[in-house]
Amino acid sequence: AQSVTQLDSHVSVSEGTPVLLRCNYSSSYSPSLFWYVQHPNKGLQLLLKYTSAATLVKGINGFEAEFKKSETSFHLTKPSAHMSDAAEYFCVVSDYGGSQGNLIFGKGTKLSVKP
Amino acid sequence: DTGVSQDPRHKITKRGQNVTFRCDPISEHNRLYWYRQTLGQGPEFLTYFQNEAQLEKSRLLSDRFSAERPKGSFSTLEIQRTEQGDSAMYLCASSPTSGRTTDTQYFGPGTRLTVL
Repeated sequence: AQSVTQLDSHVSVSEGTPVLLRCNYSSSYSPSLFWYVQHPNKGLQLLLKYTSAATLVKGINGFEAEFKKSETSFHLTKPSAHMSDAAEYFCVVSDYGGSQGNLIFGKGTKLSVKP
Repeated sequence: DTGVSQDPRHKITKRGQNVTFRCDPISEHNRLYWYRQTLGQGPEFLTYFQNEAQLEKSRLLSDRFSAERPKGSFSTLEIQRTEQGDSAMYLCASSPTSGRTTDTQYFGPGTRLTVL
């Protein structure tokens, strides 16, 4: 069965410092992995996705994630946090080799950015 | 591309009443999905359509829930005899069946349901 575990429910950083949001996954198939962001009172927005091409994936707003099969990890990073990055971030796995209808979300990591 | 839209954005109802939500996907997307998100949790998959066919349903989708997509365009999600445990954000997403983004789901803003 597919699953994702977000290792931190809340991360707090200062503006201008690096961001690291951790995610481990479990999948029976070669997974597609995503990071989505949810700002308060707004819909889920896709940050980036991995679909078995390059292991280092670049997304929007300066975020990137590295797929590490040996560690079953897909951590999200950003070199320098901005106040506007404060939001909830979800790591997501999909196994389109099997079901085509099911995205499995982690429980989310709330990112706070201090001035 | 006007994005996925959902209506209403907020719904407050009394326990035992029926409610219906609507989702309009991105116009060229054949696949449509419903998810439920409770406070402090990630979204959970409910059901999925390809065109008008409902291809998958989660065990979360009890008999009180029914979803339709009669013409393969917009979809409705109805909850009968609502319970307080149904209070959640109901999210709709759509994706294409061809091109480079078939594996990417685009989400609407959600309908927040409060059952009193």
